[in-house]
Amino acid sequence: GAVVSQHPSRVICKSGTSVKIECRSLDFQATTMFWYRQFPKQSLMLMATSNEGSKATYEQGVEKDKFLINHASLTLSTLTVTSAHPEDSSFYICSAARTGPNSPLHFGNGTRLTVT
Amino acid sequence: GQQLNQSPQSMFIQEGEDVSMNCTSSSIFNTWLWYKQDPGEGPVLLIALYKAGELTSNGRLTAQFGITRKDSFLNISASIPSDVGIYFCAGHYGNKLVFGAGTILRVKS
Repeated sequence: GAVVSQHPSRVICKSGTSVKIECRSLDFQATTMFWYRQFPKQSLMLMATSNEGSKATYEQGVEKDKFLINHASLTLSTLTVTSAHPEDSSFYICSAARTGPNSPLHFGNGTRLTVT
Repeated sequence: GQQLNQSPQSMFIQEGEDVSMNCTSSSIFNTWLWYKQDPGEGPVLLIALYKAGELTSNGRLTAQFGITRKDSFLNISASIPSDVGIYFCAGHYGNKLVFGAGTILRVKS
């Protein structure tokens, strides 16, 4: 069964508003979670690494003030898209590893964000 | 960043045929993983490879971790309609998981 739960699965928002996406590890604790973005017919691009109890690590080119990440507990990480614009419309997917580094990542089912 | 070159980009095959896809890189990876993604969903792990030369099967799927640690292949035998989807290779480079561009598989029944 699913080990990573992501919510919501779909969200439509108006330009200028903020949207929060939640990612939960269901039966294990994840000190690290990863947020990916995927455009249609393209691969997954790592946006940031979410670290429990500390600041997230963002990949080059990803605006940390636009994509706020909070990893407040060992089972929950949130991604907030602030002041969303139509170009932020995309498929956002979170992931976590059950065990240590180099363990396979398990992915949530993704969130389809549409900004109108 | 590190890149994985995945090929072919897409395949359109007859049901029952075998499928082969591969990934290569100029860098050494610690692990190789193969995922399948259905439309509108997150990737699902198919096979994980941890050692150079490792050959692992999961039902009709077989994958190998290249000896040089710079490549991997995935074979699907006797394809069926539900094999349709996008297959991604991925590799751990440090603590980050890097993805290939994906192989779109279509199966003609």
